[in-house]
Amino acid sequence: DTAVSQTPKYLVTQMGNDKSIKCEQNLGHDTMYWYKQDSKKFLKIMFSYNNKELIINETVPNRFSPKSPDKAHLNLHINSLELGDSAVYFCASSQVGGSSYNSPLHFGNGTRLTVT
Amino acid sequence: AQSVTQLDSHVSVSEGTPVLLRCNYSSSYSPSLFWYVQHPNKGLQLLLKYTSAATLVKGINGFEAEFKKSETSFHLTKPSAHMSDAAEYFCVVSPYTDKLIFGTGTRLQVFP
Repeated sequence: DTAVSQTPKYLVTQMGNDKSIKCEQNLGHDTMYWYKQDSKKFLKIMFSYNNKELIINETVPNRFSPKSPDKAHLNLHINSLELGDSAVYFCASSQVGGSSYNSPLHFGNGTRLTVT
Repeated sequence: AQSVTQLDSHVSVSEGTPVLLRCNYSSSYSPSLFWYVQHPNKGLQLLLKYTSAATLVKGINGFEAEFKKSETSFHLTKPSAHMSDAAEYFCVVSPYTDKLIFGTGTRLQVFP
C-alpha cells in the first residue's frame, strides 16, 4: 500500500531515445509534481498538476512532457534524451494545490535515469 | 525573493551525541518551513513543519526545530543521534506559492 509509487526505479538508456516514467498516488491528493534531483542532491520542481491541469512548468525543455490521465496519475515522457537529463526524478503529491500550510509533499522513491 | 540556506553540507556526529543541522531562510512574509529527510535510494519524508502555530516544532524520530524570526533561522536538532539517523536532510521554505524552495541539503553521518 505504497502512497506514491513510481516506475521504473532505474532507467538506463542511450542518447536520443524516448522514455517514460510513471507515477501513481493512492492518497486522494489533488496535486501531483515532478521534481528533478541532480548529482549534488539539489531538488528542483519541474511540473505540478492540480486535478489534471498543469499549474507549474518551470522552464523545462519541451522534450519533457507530463501527462495526467486522472488526478491519481502523473506520467513523465522524455523525448530525445540527452546526457544532461541523467538525474533522479521524484514524483510527489499533496492534498491542496501547492505547498500551503497543511499540505506537505509525499514523495515517491525516485527513478534514477542514466543516459549514456 | 524567498530562499533557504543550509549552512553545512556535511555534519558528522557520534552515536548518542546531539545533532544540530542549521538552516537560515529569507522570506518577505511569514513562511511555512519544513524539514525533510532522505535516506539512501529513497524519496523524501517529512520530518516536521512550522506553520506559525508554535515556534518550537516537534517532529518524528525525536527531531525538533525552533523557528527564530529575529535570526531567520529554523535549525533542526536531536538530543541523541542514532545510527539510523544517517541520511540527507533538506530544509524547505514555502512562500505562499505552489513551489517549495529546497535547500541544498546536509548530509548527516553518524559514527558508532
